[in-house]
Amino acid sequence: DAGVTQSPTHLIKTRGQQVTLRCSPKSGHDTVSWYQQALGQGPQFIFQYYEEEERQRGNFPDRFSGHQFPNYSSELNVNALLLGDSALYLCASSLWGYSNQPQHFGDGTRLSIL
Amino acid sequence: LAKTTQPISMDSYEGQEVNITCSHNNIATNDYITWYQQFPSQGPRFIIQGYKTKVTNEVASLFIPADRKSSTLSLPRVSLSDTAVYYCLVGDTPGRGKNTGTASKLTFGTGTRLQVTL
Repeated sequence: DAGVTQSPTHLIKTRGQQVTLRCSPKSGHDTVSWYQQALGQGPQFIFQYYEEEERQRGNFPDRFSGHQFPNYSSELNVNALLLGDSALYLCASSLWGYSNQPQHFGDGTRLSIL
Repeated sequence: LAKTTQPISMDSYEGQEVNITCSHNNIATNDYITWYQQFPSQGPRFIIQGYKTKVTNEVASLFIPADRKSSTLSLPRVSLSDTAVYYCLVGDTPGRGKNTGTASKLTFGTGTRLQVTL
């Protein structure tokens, strides 16, 4: 039973560039959430996708956008990268409507902005 | 979403029982309490979840008093490999079933950094 997988594991970009991160949810899950985790901090919710639509969004600017595909996998896009975007980006999957069931996390993509 | 407060750090020796208490004074009626464990450069891992009284699984116990304003994660006989950050979260639970609500967005605090030594 495959868990949540994310790619790439590490990425280095420069300010102003754009980046795309990818996530495949755990088998059987249909909802994907993205989180940003700065060094020494807890993960912060970015947004959540279900049925290829953004359902909830945290306090992140429009530079952060996403997409969900018919197979439930998801992408996180960040435009006009800033130094402050350096973080571990985590993807979590769950089953829509069963919000008291735990979310399953991938091991993240470490994004470094130079 | 209810805010949680937990100690920033704790130290323990291998083989001891560790209890991490989390305060959530504004917990709502439908909120569940969930604990995650996170190792460096890895995603959070689900440990245990409960609503009231006591829940036990193969790795931990969760104690929740009647007023539910706090909860205590208990790790029996910790080992070096239990060194990690532990997060306590509370979240709304609209209910089961595809037509009754959304999937939760989790609100993490800064967590408790547990250091286990020999």
